[in-house]
Amino acid sequence: NAGVTQTPKFQVLKTGQSMTLQCAQDMNHNSMYWYRQDPGMGLRLIYYSASEGTTDKGEVPNGYNVSRLNKREFSLRLESAAPSQTSVYFCASSERTGGGVADTQYFGPGTRLTVL
Amino acid sequence: ILNVEQSPQSLHVQEGDSTNFTCSFPSSNFYALHWYRWETAKSPEALFVMTLNGDEKKKGRISATLNTKEGYSYLYIKGSQPEDSATYLCAPYNNAGNMLTFGGGTRLMVKP
Repeated sequence: NAGVTQTPKFQVLKTGQSMTLQCAQDMNHNSMYWYRQDPGMGLRLIYYSASEGTTDKGEVPNGYNVSRLNKREFSLRLESAAPSQTSVYFCASSERTGGGVADTQYFGPGTRLTVL
Repeated sequence: ILNVEQSPQSLHVQEGDSTNFTCSFPSSNFYALHWYRWETAKSPEALFVMTLNGDEKKKGRISATLNTKEGYSYLYIKGSQPEDSATYLCAPYNNAGNMLTFGGGTRLMVKP
């Protein structure tokens, strides 16, 4: 039982390049999330998926797209990377459809992305 | 977007000291408050989920209280150990009840 896995662990991009961050969970969870973490700031929600087939914007969605490929997988795409997207990206999942205010979130190990 | 403040930002204590820190959040439209523990180079891990005013939760030497009327939660660590060194994050649900809003965290360092 691996929990939440993310690939890659590290990535360096040039401005304007695109890439997709992958996330998968094996806990049969319904909700999945993408966060970014910047120095001095808390985790900020980029997008979330309350159930398979649905996605919604979070606090900082600009410059990103997501796909909930199936129940297990939730990917984050940067179409044209910018230096402001240099960050550590965390994927998380929770059990209930739509999350729910008391639903614990389980986090992946993170992807450290640098955009030059 | 909620204004969530955690204080202090960082804290150095000696092994064996007890310590506490604060999470402040808007008291209106309260849904729930989550506490997470985040060790360096690891993923955030859930500590507590608190929903009711006056809630108290305990996990080993770590406990938390919640005051939803005044909009704050305290996290206490009794007899700190070096392995307690981590960043402690609080996250209330936003006023629409559809996403967590994380505070900036309190970074605790426990010296042996």
